[in-house]
Amino acid sequence: DGGITQSPKYLFRKEGQNVTLSCEQNLNHDAMYWYRQDPGQGLRLIYYSQIVNDFQKGDIAEGYSVSREKKESFPLTVTSAQKNPTAFYLCASSYWGVHAAGELFFGEGSRLTVL
Amino acid sequence: DAKTTQPPSMDCAEGRAANLPCNHSTISGNEYVYWYRQIHSQGPQYIIHGLKNNETNEMASLIITEDRKSSTLILPHATLRDTAVYYCIVRVAGGKLIFGQGTELSVKP
Repeated sequence: DGGITQSPKYLFRKEGQNVTLSCEQNLNHDAMYWYRQDPGQGLRLIYYSQIVNDFQKGDIAEGYSVSREKKESFPLTVTSAQKNPTAFYLCASSYWGVHAAGELFFGEGSRLTVL
Repeated sequence: DAKTTQPPSMDCAEGRAANLPCNHSTISGNEYVYWYRQIHSQGPQYIIHGLKNNETNEMASLIITEDRKSSTLILPHATLRDTAVYYCIVRVAGGKLIFGQGTELSVKP
């Protein structure tokens, strides 16, 4: 079945450690996105990528890094520079372009807890 | 992108229509209105979107006022599984989706 897969679903890390969250899609979508969600809040955009080997900062990119070496994959690294990394992280994908519908397909999320 | 205003919470009786309002008074002519919902601890799910005309699909109907400054999402026969946070978003074609805090809809038996 086509879809978007995030892993791991739950992740614990110690302060000062980098951690990488995986996001894979087989929908042949051009664009991929990473959002962060804190309890009781909406989603905030971290990074997005419209095309392979290119990505743009979102509203809260500090302390995060991404890569887009393949169309299907958009991993997010939460670095030790991120001061409050405990959150629910959501990956999404969509077609891209001026006339694209903009319908985003989301993964099930990864919940990161820093101990 | 224009901002949206939604009530923080709403209740609806099971089997009745749920009407979720959204104000977007600063919307520009090329911005679409999108609705998503998020069930607790899951990824958001696309519901519907529109530009000027009212839209209907198997999940919901979207009513956009003639001046496009507000819209209403209608779930015609709400079920307990429709309990979720509903996000109204305006977006220019090809632009980013920016999620606000949404409306928490509670469907009660």
